[in-house]
Order: sequence, then structure tokens, then C-alpha cells
Amino acid sequence: EDQVTQSPEALRLQEGESSSLNCSYTVSGLRGLFWYRQDPGKGPEFLFTLYSAGEEKEKERLKATLTKKESFLHITAPKPEDSATYLCAVQAPGGSYIPTFGRGTSLIVHP
Amino acid sequence: DGGITQSPKYLFRKEGQNVTLSCEQNLNHDAMYWYRQDPGQGLRLIYYSQIVNDFQKGDIAEGYSVSREKKESFPLTVTSAQKNPTAFYLCASKVTGTGGDTQYFGPGTRLTVL
Repeated sequence: EDQVTQSPEALRLQEGESSSLNCSYTVSGLRGLFWYRQDPGKGPEFLFTLYSAGEEKEKERLKATLTKKESFLHITAPKPEDSATYLCAVQAPGGSYIPTFGRGTSLIVHP
Repeated sequence: DGGITQSPKYLFRKEGQNVTLSCEQNLNHDAMYWYRQDPGQGLRLIYYSQIVNDFQKGDIAEGYSVSREKKESFPLTVTSAQKNPTAFYLCASKVTGTGGDTQYFGPGTRLTVL
């Protein structure tokens, strides 16, 4: 069974204090790993897709990296507006696109 | 603007009532999904549809029903058989591009049972 574990569950940072969120996965062959941002009371917003170990993608203060067992979402010099829950999902090979989601990391950035 | 719309944003249901949540997309995506989100849990798949007039059960389909009569629309009915329906419901659609599959979400409907 595919599993996705995100850590930490919650993270509090001071503005400008860089850190990383972790997404560990067990899947029999990775078809894709996805990162989303979710604000309270809203739907998840797509951030990145990673397909193979060693791949990296960046968007503003966020950089996602991928290894064979985990992905990191690095947040450089975060701002209060980066506060949100970050969700990770993985997709195994197969005919239907049914990703497995982690429980998310709740990030709060204090000014 | 292209996107996914869900209505209503908030919905209140009395015990024993069926309610229907709307999901519409104008992205021309074939596949659509319904998820349930509870505090501290990951998104759980209720139903999905890969094409018009076809849909499959997800992990927690009991107490729910769907239809897919049009490509743009994928309504979810929460029946009285769903014992704990209070949750945040998310609709999504999927596009397949040159880089692979990507799933996009609507704004959600919060259902509360009174």
C-alpha cells in the first residue's frame, strides 16, 4: 500500500528563518510527487510536480527536491504570507490517476 | 477565467436529509474527483470519474453518490446513510500535459450537520 508521511505536523518560524518540510513516501515505482499549498478554508493550490530523483523545482521562496525515498520543500527567508498547510501527494504507476496524500504540514511564519 | 467552481461554500444539513454539492469546471478536463478533508487527516477519495457517464468508487464511497452526465459537471450527493458527513469537501479535475498529470482543486464546500 502506498504511504505518504509528512513531517513535522506543525512548524513555527520567525520571518526570515529558513527551514525544510519533509515528505517521505513508500510507493512501488514513483510516477510523480506533488506539492500543494492550502490556505485555511480554501482548496489546495498546486505548486510543483517532481518525477525523478535529483529533480529540483523553484518558485519564489520555495524549492522542492526529490530523492528515491523522500522530498523536501525548502523555504528560504519565509514571510508571514507563506503561512499555510503544505500537502504532499504521490502517484504510483497505473492506469488511473489516483494520488495518495499526506496529512500535511501546518506552517506559521511570525513577523 | 478557467477554473473549478463549487457551490455552495457553506451547507447545513439536518439529520436524515440528502444534500447535493455542485462542482463545475470549464477547463475541458476529462477526469474529475471528489475528496473529503477532516482535521488532521489527508485528503480521502470519495468518487472519481475519468469520462462522461462513468465513475468509480474511491476509498470512502459509502453514503455518497455521484453522476457524470456532462463533462463540465460532477455533483456529489451526501445521503442520509452517511453517518458522519460534517467535513470539508473538495472537487478536483485532472489535466494530462507534456510533463505528466496535474490535479487542480476547487475552493471547497464546508458541510455541517445540525
